[in-house]
Amino acid sequence: SYILTQAPSVSVAPGKTARITCGGLNIGTKSVHWYQQKSGQAPVMFIYYDTDRPSGIPERFSASNSGNTATLTISRVEAGDEADYYCQVWDDSNVIFGGGTKLTVL
Amino acid sequence: QVQLQESGPGLVKPSQTLSLTCTVSGDSIRSGGYCWSWIRQHPGKGLEWVGYIDYSGSAYYNPSLKSLLTISGDTSQNQFSLKLVSVTAADTAVYYCARIVGATYGPFDFWGQGTMVTVSS
Repeated sequence: SYILTQAPSVSVAPGKTARITCGGLNIGTKSVHWYQQKSGQAPVMFIYYDTDRPSGIPERFSASNSGNTATLTISRVEAGDEADYYCQVWDDSNVIFGGGTKLTVL
Repeated sequence: QVQLQESGPGLVKPSQTLSLTCTVSGDSIRSGGYCWSWIRQHPGKGLEWVGYIDYSGSAYYNPSLKSLLTISGDTSQNQFSLKLVSVTAADTAVYYCARIVGATYGPFDFWGQGTMVTVSS
């Protein structure tokens, strides 16, 4: 079955840029969706169809998808961005989630 | 605004059946263009897709759970349900219901708040 690989954790200082990657074989041929999950809360859709942001999500959040890696980029990181971030794709009729990356704001 | 709310027992004994219901408001589970899904999250772990039904009621399951799982819809109540048989401690998790945009390839755009289920005697 298809596997998505995410680093368990990423740390970044406030005001800096965080990059969270999601690796998968030829993931660039799939649509990638990203979710943010803060502690004790349900996940929230943050990026969909590779690069689209739902209304209300700041422009500081952007994403790309090419080759074997999809990347979520968070510019000017704030303390409130601290959360777990999950990537997700479809493989035939199955849903695949990455293992999640915990973003820590130093 | 679409809202989803999970309900069901918080404690299930091993080998018994786990039954959960998701009540949908703000949309119909029979509206075309959306599917309705269950996702679970083991304590301290990542998200695991469980399965979903489409607008026609056809169900699709995580291959690792397929033999134990039934997901169905009740259009009269605008609800969809999960039944997982022969549960073990490994089924202890927070269970979320969520809406999927499109028949396939779409994101989960609305989620319930989740319900914690513990499997223990």
